[in-house]
Parts: sequence; structure tokens; C-alpha cells
Amino acid sequence: AQSVSQHNHHVILSEAASLELGCNYSYGGTVNLFWYVQYPGQHLQLLLKYFSGDPLVKGIKGFEAEFIKSKFSFNLRKPSVQWSDTAEYFCAVNAVTSGTYKYIFGTGTRLKVLA
Amino acid sequence: DGGITQSPKYLFRKEGQNVTLSCEQNLNHDAMYWYRQDPGQGLRLIYYSQIVNDFQKGDIAEGYSVSREKKESFPLTVTSAQKNPTAFYLCASSTQEYNEKLFFGSGTQLSVL
Repeated sequence: AQSVSQHNHHVILSEAASLELGCNYSYGGTVNLFWYVQYPGQHLQLLLKYFSGDPLVKGIKGFEAEFIKSKFSFNLRKPSVQWSDTAEYFCAVNAVTSGTYKYIFGTGTRLKVLA
Repeated sequence: DGGITQSPKYLFRKEGQNVTLSCEQNLNHDAMYWYRQDPGQGLRLIYYSQIVNDFQKGDIAEGYSVSREKKESFPLTVTSAQKNPTAFYLCASSTQEYNEKLFFGSGTQLSVL
């Protein structure tokens, strides 16, 4: 069955520290990969996505992610975090399952950035 | 403005009662989804629909039912068979394109009295 794993549930960093959040998925076919962010009191919004081409994708607010097919991973990175990056981050996978597109999410990682 | 509207924002359910959560979109999207969000468990897929009059079970469909009679509407019924219904429910939609993002509603918080 298709699944998404996020191993870091809570991360606390100081401003200017580097960030890497792990995401692994299990699915043997073609997938599209996404990272969403949910700021306190706001809707989920898309940070970045991968569907083909360059495995290193850049998103909004200085975030990037690398798709490593052999490791079934799509880790999110940011070289230098800011206090405003405090939010919950979700990895998601969209894959064809029984002829339909099943869009599933990981359990999320709560990031707290200390000023 | 185009978007997804979920109502009500807060809902209370009595023991043994069925309740229905509304989700309407005016984005002309074909695909619609229902997720349940619990602390520490992320978003779990309940039901999804790619076209009108067709829908599929997600990972936690037991105790829930849906209908898709119109393209813009995808209501979710939480039945009395759902023993732990207290959660935040999110509706989302997207185009039929495989690589497109989801648009989310503002959610409904369901609590049991």
C-alpha cells in the first residue's frame, strides 16, 4: 500500500540554522511529490513539488527538496531558517492507484524556530 | 473569489447521531478529497472522488460516507459507526492533472457531546 513517512515529528532550531526534514514514501510506480506548509491559523499551502526532470526542486521562501529515486526519499531543506518558518510541514505523494490518483500525506513535522 | 467553502466551522455530534459536513468548490475542479487531521497523525485520507457520481475509499473510510452528485459539491457524513469522530476535517480539490497541488478549505472541527 502507498504510504508516506516523516521521521522527525518535532524539530527545534535557532534562527540561521540549517534545516533538513526527512520524507520517505513507499510506492513502486510513478509518483508526484509535494511539500506543504501550515502556518499557525492558516490553510495548508504548497511549498514545492516534483513530478519530472531535475530532481532538485526549488520552492517558495528559500526552500528546496531533492528527489532520490533509489532511496524513495524527498527531503526538504533550507540553508538558513527564520523565526517566520515556524509551522507544520507535510510531505505528500500523489500516485496512480487502481486507475485513480490517490493523494496521501505524511504525519507532519512541527518546526519551531527560536529567535 | 474562487475557492473551497466548508461548513459549518464547528459541529457537535451527540451519541448515535449522523452528521454531515458540507464542502463546496467553485474552482471547476474535477477531483475532491476529504481528510481527517488529528494531532501527531497528519492528514489521513477518508474518501476521494475524481469525477461526478464516482468516489473511492481512502485509508480510513470506515464510519464515513460521501456522495458526489454535483461537480462542485462533496459532502461527508460522519455516521454513528464512527466511534472516534472528534477531529478536524479538511476538504480539498484539484484539477485532474496528475501533478497539480491541492486547494484546501478552512476545515470543520467536529466534537462529540
